[in-house]
Amino acid sequence: GENVEQHPSTLSVQEGDSAVIKCTYSDSASNYFPWYKQELGKGPQLIIDIRSNVGEKKDQRIAVTLNKTAKHFSLHITETQPEDSAVYFCAASSPGNTPLVFGKGTRLSVIA
Amino acid sequence: DTAVSQTPKYLVTQMGNDKSIKCEQNLGHDTMYWYKQDSKKFLKIMFSYNNKELIINETVPNRFSPKSPDKAHLNLHINSLELGDSAVYFCASSQAGQGATEAFFGQGTRLTVV
Repeated sequence: GENVEQHPSTLSVQEGDSAVIKCTYSDSASNYFPWYKQELGKGPQLIIDIRSNVGEKKDQRIAVTLNKTAKHFSLHITETQPEDSAVYFCAASSPGNTPLVFGKGTRLSVIA
Repeated sequence: DTAVSQTPKYLVTQMGNDKSIKCEQNLGHDTMYWYKQDSKKFLKIMFSYNNKELIINETVPNRFSPKSPDKAHLNLHINSLELGDSAVYFCASSQAGQGATEAFFGQGTRLTVV
């Protein structure tokens, strides 16, 4: 089955700096790679996703890149703000009704 | 209008008890899931249902029994609760199709077994 590795487990950045979180996956059949943000006491919420036919996707301060050959994908947050502080999860899934397999999460702290 | 709603939000109970968590989604999705998040924040799939039918049952003890009365509801019943069952349980739903799509998560149920 799919295995998703995520690094780093914790990340502290100064407000305004960029943050990068990296994930690798094992199943070459996986074709959907979402990123979720989980704030304290809440459920995970999708912030951006990418499919395997695309190499990069951007939404304002957030971007995701995908390297299918190397089986890794990354989340980039620019101009970080204190409200970006949360736990971020990468995930992967393959076609059909397969559920998302999550990485172990990255706790991002943005220091004002 | 909550998309995926779970009840209760908090559940404290003694070892050996039986408890249920309810989940409802109003998104018209075909597929629903239960995930378990442990104290280290690891999110792990437990069950997946598509149109009321069990699709995936990961290595979960048979004390856990999901029930889907219709495709908008997926409840989780847990028998003979153990200390190790303490965790946050998340219900989620997504639209089945040829390609994987976004999963919407509920707010979670924090289960504490004492």
